[in-house]
Amino acid sequence: DAGVIQSPRHEVTEMGQEVTLRCKPISGHDYLFWYRQTMMRGLELLIYFNNNVPIDDSGMPEDRFSAKMPNASFSTLKIQPSEPRDSAVYFCASSSRQGSYGYTFGSGTRLTVV
Amino acid sequence: AQKVTQAQTEISVVEKEDVTLDCVYETRDTTYYLFWYKQPPSGELVFLIRRNSFDEQNEISGRYSWNFQKSTSSFNFTITASQVVDSAVYFCALSEARGSARQLTFGSGTQLTVLP
Repeated sequence: DAGVIQSPRHEVTEMGQEVTLRCKPISGHDYLFWYRQTMMRGLELLIYFNNNVPIDDSGMPEDRFSAKMPNASFSTLKIQPSEPRDSAVYFCASSSRQGSYGYTFGSGTRLTVV
Repeated sequence: AQKVTQAQTEISVVEKEDVTLDCVYETRDTTYYLFWYKQPPSGELVFLIRRNSFDEQNEISGRYSWNFQKSTSSFNFTITASQVVDSAVYFCALSEARGSARQLTFGSGTQLTVLP
């Protein structure tokens, strides 16, 4: 298995631009999570899905952030418009109920908003 | 609400020393899972171990060992004979098993530096 695949690995964008981060979970996993890592706040959960349905989006910072999971093999996290304070590493993780909730993380997307 | 505390922000040891990373957690659940992850300088999050709340047996994997004590709500991690390659940030995390709540809550991490 290729693991959780995130793209792009690095993204540099100008303030005000739209940014889309992508994630392909491990096949067969029914939970998908988006985390953000910053020096100030550490690793924080933004949103998670179960069977493609958003379950808890209370960690999404504001309306500029949105996440979708149109099918079991793909999810996006979109920021529109982006701001410098959104600069962080964004991790996607997937998990399986059958696997007793072991969590596998992608390599992360390092986002820089200038 | 669940909470994970890693009181040690940074630890520095000399190679071949043993080092213990502390983790204290809070949860109202009786069923939960505890994890340790390693984040090397390259940035990825590497899974090390998962324990469920009903299994207090200590575990050893090579130079790594974990001590789980429900009485003190602790899940400490020991590296024996540390090596320079062990230098990384180590995160302890908790996942509750009730209802649909499946998210991992992370501690703030401990930066371990192993000096040659």
